[in-house]
Amino acid sequence: SQQGEEDPQALSIQEGENATMNCSYKTSINNLQWYRQNSGRGLVHLILIRSNEREKHSGRLRVTLDTSKKSSSLLITASRAADTASYFCATPIYSGAGSYQLTFGKGTKLSVIP
Amino acid sequence: SAVISQKPSRDICQRGTSLTIQCQVDSQVTMMFWYRQQPGQSLTLIATANQGSEATYESGFVIDKFPISRPNLTFSTLTVSNMSPEDSSIYLCSVRGAGMNTEAFFGQGTRLTVV
Repeated sequence: SQQGEEDPQALSIQEGENATMNCSYKTSINNLQWYRQNSGRGLVHLILIRSNEREKHSGRLRVTLDTSKKSSSLLITASRAADTASYFCATPIYSGAGSYQLTFGKGTKLSVIP
Repeated sequence: SAVISQKPSRDICQRGTSLTIQCQVDSQVTMMFWYRQQPGQSLTLIATANQGSEATYESGFVIDKFPISRPNLTFSTLTVSNMSPEDSSIYLCSVRGAGMNTEAFFGQGTRLTVV
């Protein structure tokens, strides 16, 4: 079942602007991860934030996590045309026998216009 | 980290036929995951492939339709059997380290179109 829900579903911005995507989830989590997918290709891991962290940075990416609101946001600063992709949040769900499966949100499709 | 080679990258198939997708990982991993991504949708887990045992299928997916092989710790195949246009999707294989605080690595995906 879907755990994360991103919004907006689609976002179009000009190059140089910042892009913010949000993810809400339903159950308690140990961590939340963000992934990027270029036009139907494989997903690439961007960042993992643990439940005891509130903010994390990686280059032009900034992720926040608010466990009280069960939400996370991904901010891409100074966007570039190459940032055009779909972005997904994902959370690990215990699936038994000591293993965890990742459950993905619906994704935000970001278009950065040169 | 892990590098996954997935093939084919895309295929157009006739309904009623089957397609086998292969994933090769550059390191030994215990579990491999197979996902389906329908057009414009998120990823849905089909099954978890463990070496030396039967794959574990998620609700809505059955072995007869999506048989999986896992002959060793670096390789797995997913077959989409008796295809219909509804099977047109991107299929992705993935691996993760053990534990909850690990990232996933993905193959490049197989874009399947059934006509």
